[in-house]
Amino acid sequence: KQEVTQIPAALSVPEGENLVLNCSFTDSAIYNLQWFRQDPGKGLTSLLLIQSSQREQTSGRLNASLDKSSGRSTLYIAASQPGDSATYLCAVNLLRGGKLIFGQGTELSVKP
Amino acid sequence: DTGVSQNPRHKITKRGQNVTFRCDPISEHNRLYWYRQTLGQGPEFLTYFQNEAQLEKSRLLSDRFSAERPKGSFSTLEIQRTEQGDSAMYLCASSLEDRVRGETQYFGPGTRLLVL
Repeated sequence: KQEVTQIPAALSVPEGENLVLNCSFTDSAIYNLQWFRQDPGKGLTSLLLIQSSQREQTSGRLNASLDKSSGRSTLYIAASQPGDSATYLCAVNLLRGGKLIFGQGTELSVKP
Repeated sequence: DTGVSQNPRHKITKRGQNVTFRCDPISEHNRLYWYRQTLGQGPEFLTYFQNEAQLEKSRLLSDRFSAERPKGSFSTLEIQRTEQGDSAMYLCASSLEDRVRGETQYFGPGTRLLVL
């Protein structure tokens, strides 16, 4: 059974700091991995999708990496801003078109 | 904006009542998913449609839950005889098959259900 774990559960950093969020999964036979952002009481916003054949994806200040063999992904946020404060969720997709299996999320707080 | 929409956004009901939620996916998306999220947890998969066919149901989806997607467009999720444990955020997502770029699921704002 695929399990997805995110560490830490919560993180507080000062504005301007670079930071890394971690995601691990138990079964390396994934189709793709997505990172999402969720603001309190809101739905999920897709940030980055990495196909199983890819090693990383970048969007602006965000960079996500994938190491399938070790079952790990990281989300790197450069020069953090207070507006980055949110919960970040990673999710794996085992099949094309199938369900996402989510981690519990990392709640990020960026202090001005 | 042509994103995923969900109605209602909030629902308060008494235990034992039936509730129905609606999801309108992005118009050209053929896949539609329902998830449930409780406080402090990641979303959990409930069920999935490809066009009008319901292809997978989670064991979380008891016989009190039913989902439909008539004509392969909008979807409804009904909960009968609600229980306090049904209180959660119900999220809908849609996607379009893309064998080249991969399939991103786009989420709606959710329906928050509170069962008293």
